[in-house]
Amino acid sequence: QVQLQESGPRLVKPSGTLSLTCTVSGGSMRSAYWTWIRQPPGKGLEWVGYILNSGGGSTNYSPSLKSRVTISIDTSRNQVSLTLTAVTAADTAVYYCARGRDGLLYWGQGILVTVSS
Amino acid sequence: EIVMTQSPLSLPVTPGEPASISCRSSQSLLHSNGDNYLDWYLHKPGQSPQLLISLGSNRASGVPDRFSGSGSGTDFTLKISRVEADDVGVYYCMQTLQVPLTFGGGTKVEIK
Repeated sequence: QVQLQESGPRLVKPSGTLSLTCTVSGGSMRSAYWTWIRQPPGKGLEWVGYILNSGGGSTNYSPSLKSRVTISIDTSRNQVSLTLTAVTAADTAVYYCARGRDGLLYWGQGILVTVSS
Repeated sequence: EIVMTQSPLSLPVTPGEPASISCRSSQSLLHSNGDNYLDWYLHKPGQSPQLLISLGSNRASGVPDRFSGSGSGTDFTLKISRVEADDVGVYYCMQTLQVPLTFGGGTKVEIK
């Protein structure tokens, strides 16, 4: 059974960098897509982006975040990372990682990250 | 960007009765391979979203057969044949045909 666990700082200062890690257990990371999705408080789900763990590790990002977001993968540690720079209060959200590009069957439990001074 | 529109916004339901949620896309989600790139998720309070339906009509593993997905192109429907109390939460459709992947605004299902 694949399990995902998000971790990282839960409080980030405005203009700072949000860095989250998704640790994967119980399954192979090879040749799989890994997706990040977020949900601001009281709002709906928002796709952040994904990475394909194959070849060069191609990525796709939300256009609204593209200039600030990076998704990377470390298969030796079974981890997928999300980095979001120059954060504002609008980036306050529960961040989820999920396995796949579509038909997302496996999700982490989510981590609430608050952007505040 | 493909815009996803769900209706209704809120859906009060009676246990044992059927329920239906509509999802419309601004562009066709029908791929040349014949699949519709449309997923349905249920987000229960305090939990992670769970996959119900993929590719428009394929029920995910472990999902009760009370849930069914239908539609093609730009119009899709999620149906619950007999609602149970455990079905409450927010239902989202998501298109996966084209980047950026986009979600509908959600439909909140609650028990009357």
